[in-house]
Amino acid sequence: DAGVIQSPRHEVTEMGQEVTLRCKPISGHDYLFWYRQTMMRGLELLIYFNNNVPIDDSGMPEDRFSAKMPNASFSTLKIQPSEPRDSAVYFCASSSIQGALNYGYTFGSGTRLTVV
Amino acid sequence: AQSVTQLGSHVSVSEGALVLLRCNYSSSVPPYLFWYVQYPNQGLQLLLKYTTGATLVKGINGFEAEFKKSETSFHLTKPSAHMSDAAEYFCAVMNYGGSQGNLIFGKGTKLSVKP
Repeated sequence: DAGVIQSPRHEVTEMGQEVTLRCKPISGHDYLFWYRQTMMRGLELLIYFNNNVPIDDSGMPEDRFSAKMPNASFSTLKIQPSEPRDSAVYFCASSSIQGALNYGYTFGSGTRLTVV
Repeated sequence: AQSVTQLGSHVSVSEGALVLLRCNYSSSVPPYLFWYVQYPNQGLQLLLKYTTGATLVKGINGFEAEFKKSETSFHLTKPSAHMSDAAEYFCAVMNYGGSQGNLIFGKGTKLSVKP
């Protein structure tokens, strides 16, 4: 398996623009997580899905952020409009129930977002 | 609510010296505990985990950690540091009750290894 695949690896955008981050989880994993990493706040869970259904989105910072999982092999995190304070590394991770207990989560390589 | 505290945002050791990265957790139920490592410009990689059973767990790259319930600690150690160990290390706790819940991460400790 190629692991969790995120795209793009780097994104530079202007304030006010819409940004879409993409994630392909590991096949067979039924949980998908979106995390944000910043120097100030560390790793924060934004939202997670189980069987494509959002379970907990309490970490989504504002209405400008939205996430979807239209099928088991694809998820998006969208920021509209983007602001400089959204600059961070965004990670996607996936797992199965037993996998999580035995192996934790499998993380993608992240998308480094810079909003100027 | 569960939480994790990592003492020291930066730790510097000499090559060959002992590595000790501290992690304390707060949990109302027996926790599942994890250590992850993040190399520059990469995602997080699982180092080791504690679920049940033996309280001393061994992971990859010669690292180990000991679960101490009385101290609510899960410190990460390695007897002899190598230059390749320079990375950021995250301690995490998982709530396994009910729905899967999620991993709660500490703020991380950046390890530097001096030649």
